[in-house]
Amino acid sequence: DAKTTQPPSMDCAEGRAANLPCNHSTISGNEYVYWYRQIHSQGPQYIIHGLKNNETNEMASLIITEDRKSSTLILPHATLRDTAVYYCIVRVLYSGGGADGLTFGKGTHLIIQP
Amino acid sequence: DADVTQTPRNRITKTGKRIMLECSQTKGHDRMYWYRQDPGLGLRLIYYSFDVKDINKGEISDGYSVSRQAQAKFSLSLESAIPNQTALYFCATSRTSGRATSSSYNEQFFGPGTRLTVL
Repeated sequence: DAKTTQPPSMDCAEGRAANLPCNHSTISGNEYVYWYRQIHSQGPQYIIHGLKNNETNEMASLIITEDRKSSTLILPHATLRDTAVYYCIVRVLYSGGGADGLTFGKGTHLIIQP
Repeated sequence: DADVTQTPRNRITKTGKRIMLECSQTKGHDRMYWYRQDPGLGLRLIYYSFDVKDINKGEISDGYSVSRQAQAKFSLSLESAIPNQTALYFCATSRTSGRATSSSYNEQFFGPGTRLTVL
């Protein structure tokens, strides 16, 4: 799996958009970009994933650059409850379905300031 | 009720003791995983199972063993616990699906974690 690089920490004001960058310059054509977050030692929570098109769901948006070497997770209106460690993970989906384990780096500790 | 449960939630034990951590799920998923997390680090995969008859080693399986007793249950054992196995342990599940782009196909659901301390 390709390696990812994220800033160790970021601050964002409550109510503003939080933009979390991730660099994955060695990503392969069949690798997806996933985002998970972990709130204070709880089990990680899936946020969103994408291959090459931008994706949006009820939690966030994922913007992937055209060359797929980097991506940005956007939390449109951050709240205090969004304070967490956010993990960007690049993962291939093997033929036959299903995904095996995820490789978590150190992630970005996002702190939402009141 | 939680879909993925882990027992115990906290455990303190002594070096050399045998410990079993249990994971149960009601999501009907076929795939289950065990991860450990050390302070300030991301999760690392210990073992994973694609179904009852399929067990696979992960990145850090040495010192651990697992048992998939049923589709809904996946246990992690430390045969002889040592202090550097002190960590937060997470169980996770996912579902095999033929649709590569469905979120449920790609999403792993994590339990609340077990905090294990080996003295």
